[in-house]
Amino acid sequence: DVKVTQSSRYLVKRTGEKVFLECVQDMDHENMFWYRQDPGLGLRLIYFSYDVKMKEKGDIPEGYSVSREKKERFSLILESASTNQTSMYLCASSSPGTGKETQYFGPGTRLLVL
Amino acid sequence: GENVEQHPSTLSVQEGDSAVIKCTYSDSASNYFPWYKQELGKRPQLIIDIRSNVGEKKDQRIAVTLNKTAKHFSLHITETQPEDSAVYFCAAIIQGAQKLVFGQGTRLTINP
Repeated sequence: DVKVTQSSRYLVKRTGEKVFLECVQDMDHENMFWYRQDPGLGLRLIYFSYDVKMKEKGDIPEGYSVSREKKERFSLILESASTNQTSMYLCASSSPGTGKETQYFGPGTRLLVL
Repeated sequence: GENVEQHPSTLSVQEGDSAVIKCTYSDSASNYFPWYKQELGKRPQLIIDIRSNVGEKKDQRIAVTLNKTAKHFSLHITETQPEDSAVYFCAAIIQGAQKLVFGQGTRLTINP
């Protein structure tokens, strides 16, 4: 079974704080993704990575950065948290090109920025 | 790039009736179409998928159909039960691409 874990289920931070969200997968997947999910807006892609140290912007990268130093770990960084970044953050991983494009999601981190 | 439209955004059906959710995609090079179910407070999970070389796939009460000519695919749930209440997402991926493109989601409510 694929396992994708996220470092926290709930986080409360203050405006201006630097926030780290961490995601770990145990299936040796090449691709990892960060989404945010807001009511009525579906899943919006923030950043994704298709290899260690490689990253690509998704649809809403502003205010976020990412880090992938090891294959199994993908971190989302909010450099200076703002209230409009209050949201549910979902990490996912997949292995492309082998007929296994399915993404497997982590449990999510609900972030509240005060 | 690929664009996926999903309808309806909300759907309410009586227990035991059927539910149908439809998605259209824009790029004819898309060749893989998964459906995810997200129950309240939980992660999205794959429930069924279909590839472009197949027109229909069934798994118990769930089926997906694909019309490549019209570029649309649909999720069919028969004999709905309360545990089918959830948000459902369709997605598509272009062959060789790295990321899925998701629809906006459908909130399905099963009324007892």
